[in-house]
This record gives sequence, structure tokens and C-alpha cells, in this order.
Amino acid sequence: DTGVSQNPRHKITKRGQNVTFRCDPISEHNRLYWYRQTLGQGPEFLTYFQNEAQLEKSRLLSDRFSAERPKGSFSTLEIQRTEQGDSAMYLCASSLRSGGANTGELFFGEGSRLTVL
Amino acid sequence: EDQVTQSPEALRLQEGESSSLNCSYTVSGLRGLFWYRQDPGKGPEFLFTLYSAGEEKEKERLKATLTKKESFLHITAPKPEDSATYLCAVQLPNSGYALNFGKGTSLLVTP
Repeated sequence: DTGVSQNPRHKITKRGQNVTFRCDPISEHNRLYWYRQTLGQGPEFLTYFQNEAQLEKSRLLSDRFSAERPKGSFSTLEIQRTEQGDSAMYLCASSLRSGGANTGELFFGEGSRLTVL
Repeated sequence: EDQVTQSPEALRLQEGESSSLNCSYTVSGLRGLFWYRQDPGKGPEFLFTLYSAGEEKEKERLKATLTKKESFLHITAPKPEDSATYLCAVQLPNSGYALNFGKGTSLLVTP
């Protein structure tokens, strides 16, 4: 499968614990994006990387959220001291900088669903 | 800030009953209007990109159109497998190709 891969698909944790999600983008894609989606809402943009550089992070929801892409390949999204309001689907997407055949098309993974008890 | 508003929130159609979904947008400069389809428990899947007023694109039973203030997704003779949430989005400024999504329209097509 050459699509965007996210792990784990489901995570249940207790309030106050730290969680980390991993995203493996399509191999030739140099841009990677993280989104959050809650029930009944569209995806909400959090941050993006071009190669290993995090070029936009002002939309991360709080300082408890952080993301890395250390070698410009896979990325991780960490949430520290989780709260019940963090329960959501966390989506990763990737794209080519040049846009490819459809400029700006994002390819999404199937998401990681977080439940905070 | 750029805004995207979709209507209706939910739509129920009989198989074969054509209809349209609306996406109105307010942006400082349109860099692209995107339509995605999202099935339950899955990530969004790309359908169309529109760049300028008057542009139209088609794929099977779907046709997307664009004006200066809104976009429509027309569904002709829908089938139950067209049931999904349809998301509209515009590109955010200075954020690569990051998208600002609307809340979506949940479409149910019954046999």
C-alpha cells in the first residue's frame, strides 16, 4: 500500500497521560500536514512541514501539542497531559510541493482516533 | 479570516433523485476551491479542484461548479454508494497547500 499510513488507528488513554501518533506519508511527498477532526466538524488544520522544516505551527491548539518530522520522512504528533477535550480524530495528509497533477491536492490517511477518559 | 460555509448540513435523497450541495466562501484571494468526500471512519478523499469562476469539473455522477462567491456540487441520479460526507475547502494563505474546511454536508441516498 503506497498511501498515507497512520498509527495507531485507535488510542484510549486516561486524562493527564501523554500520547504520540505517527504518520508515514507517500514516499515522494515532501509536504506533510496534521489536522484534527471532531464529530460533525470538518478537519481543522494544525501544522505542516516541508521536508523536515515545520513552516506553520501557530495553529497548534496549545503548547501541549507538538509535532516533529526529524528526517523529512515520517512525522509524529505528541499531545502532553491529555484532556477530555482532546478526544478527536487526528488526520495526517501529504502532498507534493509542486502540487502534482492536481495542484494542492492533499492525500489523507485514515486517521488516529483518540479517546481520553 | 477565510470562511467556508456548507449547506445543507444533512441531505437525504431517494436513489435517482438529483440535487445540489452548496459551499459559500469568503476569502481574501482564492487559491483554489476543493471538494472532498469522506466516508465514516476514513480520511477525506479528493474529488475536484476549481480555480476560477465559471469553471466546471465532472466525475461520474458528480459535477462541481464555481462562482465568485460559492461552489455547487451537483449529484445526478445518485446511488446508495454516493452516501458520504462531502467537504468543501479553500487553501489557507502562507501554509503550503493546507486547507480550511467547511463542516460538510452529510448525504444519505436510500434505495
